[in-house]
Amino acid sequence: EPEVTQTPSHQVTQMGQEVILRCVPISNHLYFYWYRQILGQKVEFLVSFYNNEISEKSEIFDDQFSVERPDGSNFTLKIRSTKLEDSAMYFCASRDSNMNTEAFFGQGTRLTVV
Amino acid sequence: LAKTTQPISMDSYEGQEVNITCSHNNIATNDYITWYQQFPSQGPRFIIQGYKTKVTNEVASLFIPADRKSSTLSLPRVSLSDTAVYYCLVGRSSGSARQLTFGSGTQLTVLP
Repeated sequence: EPEVTQTPSHQVTQMGQEVILRCVPISNHLYFYWYRQILGQKVEFLVSFYNNEISEKSEIFDDQFSVERPDGSNFTLKIRSTKLEDSAMYFCASRDSNMNTEAFFGQGTRLTVV
Repeated sequence: LAKTTQPISMDSYEGQEVNITCSHNNIATNDYITWYQQFPSQGPRFIIQGYKTKVTNEVASLFIPADRKSSTLSLPRVSLSDTAVYYCLVGRSSGSARQLTFGSGTQLTVLP
């Protein structure tokens, strides 16, 4: 079964540092997403990306966040200056172009800001 | 987006059928109903999707009444490994991300 892969599985960073979370979506998919889940809380939408641009973003996705699809396979989430409250699981997801299709989620990156 | 309401938690025993109901009173005409499963420290996993009546796949059934204001996910003969959080999502399946808005979900615990 095709899968979305995320690296690293766990990242520890100091407050104020920049982090890049990486994702390899399923190869024929066209829509890409980032979600986060703070420990014990629900999965929260951050941003969607289609045709090399952001199509939607939530209020969480402020100026410290950015996304990029640099080479046609990777999809990255950058947090410029991490805060303690950015500690969470970050999930990447992708889906294909068909109507009514499921989104496939990666296993997530656990980000710990200290 | 249609707001969804689910029970916070449910307990069941191995081998039993489990039914989790989700309320979505303001569902729109174009909205589909989708259920995801999430194990601890893993990404959500698609279970089933439907628009009306009944949908069945190899892992679950989804029952949707005629008014579509609720839906019931049915898991036949659950096992311990079905212990997870189950999310009901309602929205248009048009490629936009907004339909993938997760609520609080239902924590299902399967007991031996």
